[in-house]
Amino acid sequence: DTGVSQNPRHKITKRGQNVTFRCDPISEHNRLYWYRQTLGQGPEFLTYFQNEAQLEKSRLLSDRFSAERPKGSFSTLEIQRTEQGDSAMYLCASSSGPVSYEQYFGPGTRLTVT
Amino acid sequence: DQQVKQNSPSLSVQEGRISILNCDYTNSMFDYFLWYKKYPAEGPTFLISISSIKDKNEDGRFTVFLNKSAKHLSLHIVPSQPGDSAVYFCAARDSNYQLIWGAGTKLIIKP
Repeated sequence: DTGVSQNPRHKITKRGQNVTFRCDPISEHNRLYWYRQTLGQGPEFLTYFQNEAQLEKSRLLSDRFSAERPKGSFSTLEIQRTEQGDSAMYLCASSSGPVSYEQYFGPGTRLTVT
Repeated sequence: DQQVKQNSPSLSVQEGRISILNCDYTNSMFDYFLWYKKYPAEGPTFLISISSIKDKNEDGRFTVFLNKSAKHLSLHIVPSQPGDSAVYFCAARDSNYQLIWGAGTKLIIKP
C-alpha cells in the first residue's frame, strides 16, 4: 500500500521548542496539502504545493510556520518556538492533476505542546 | 465565519435503517461538494462527491443530494451498517480549488 504517510505520528514538545513533521505523498501526485485539525473541528487549510512550488498559504500559517517540498516529492512542516495553541493534529493530503478535488490523507501527526 | 456547517455533532441510527447526514453552506461559488469519512487514528477517507451542476449522485449504499437553492446537501446511507460508525465531514471546493470543511458529524450505528 503506497498511501500517504506521515512521521512522526505523535510528538510531545515543550513550549518554545522547534518541531518538524514529514509527509510522503502518493508518488504520482503533484499536489500536496497541509491541514491542521483541532478537537471537534474539521481540517483547516494551511498551505499547498504543486510540485515544489508553494502556491498558497493560509492566514493561519504564522511566521513561525514554514513548509517545504524541495524536490516535489516529500514535504516538511516546521513550527518554530512552539506555543500551546499549536497543539493539534497536522494532516497531510495529496492529489493528482491540476483540478482534482479528491484528496488522499495521511494518518496525521498529533502535536502536544506542554 | 463558517462557510460550511454541519449542525449535528452526532447522530445515532439503528443498523439496517437509513442514516441522513446534513450540511449547509453559504458560498454559492463552491463548485464541488465532497463527503469524507474518518475513523479514529486515521486520516479522512474520500467517500462520495457531487458537482454543483448535479442534484444527486449515487454510489452503492451512499447517495448525496444537493439543493442549491437552499444551499444544502445531505448524505444518505442505506442500509446503515456497523462499519459505517465514524465521523463524517462535508467539504466544499472554492474558486481557489481549496477545500472548506465542516466540523463533522459522529455517526453511531446501533446493532
